[in-house]
Amino acid sequence: AQTVTQSQPEMSVQEAETVTLSCTYDTSESDYYLFWYKQPPSRQMILVIRQEAYKQQNATENRFSVNFQKAAKSFSLKISDSQLGDAAMYFCAYYTGTASKLTFGTGTRLQVTL
Amino acid sequence: GAVVSQHPSWVICKSGTSVKIECRSLDFQATTMFWYRQFPKQSLMLMATSNEGSKATYEQGVEKDKFLINHASLTLSTLTVTSAHPEDSSFYICSARRSGKGNEQFFGPGTRLTVL
Repeated sequence: AQTVTQSQPEMSVQEAETVTLSCTYDTSESDYYLFWYKQPPSRQMILVIRQEAYKQQNATENRFSVNFQKAAKSFSLKISDSQLGDAAMYFCAYYTGTASKLTFGTGTRLQVTL
Repeated sequence: GAVVSQHPSWVICKSGTSVKIECRSLDFQATTMFWYRQFPKQSLMLMATSNEGSKATYEQGVEKDKFLINHASLTLSTLTVTSAHPEDSSFYICSARRSGKGNEQFFGPGTRLTVL
């Protein structure tokens, strides 16, 4: 079974600084997708970034980028120039066509301080 | 585009009653919808996968007679919590996968259920 591990229950970053959230996963599949979702206090799940496993290039979306290490099964999220609005729960998620469903990690709560 | 709505956003009911939650994809067709449950400060737990026109597939440990799922059209799935009890109180989230658009899922805003 696929598992997704987020080892940091809570993280804190100062406004304008950079923070990295960790995620590791376990799978025997070779073709899969990885996602980072943000859940702010409103609890609406928002897709932050996605990565296809077959792509070697790390995905980027404005201030958000990932460090995808396929051999190590690691998928970390870097948030640059952190803003107060980045404060939220962040969930790493894994998807494969075999299971056809998302598997979520336990989440990391990010605090952004002034 | 790709908006998913849920109704109601919150509901309070008495123990023993049934509650229906609707999940709609507003601007796209969704052959597959998913229902999740989220306890406070925890991750999303998949309850079931709902395919239009067929029976839902439930995850292990989820009572299908307790949580009835119907996906009657390409834009609507419903979750009915039957004979609700206080332990069913939780935050329920649906998501929809856009037909022919691979694996991206779009999430609804969630429904908070409180059973007294």
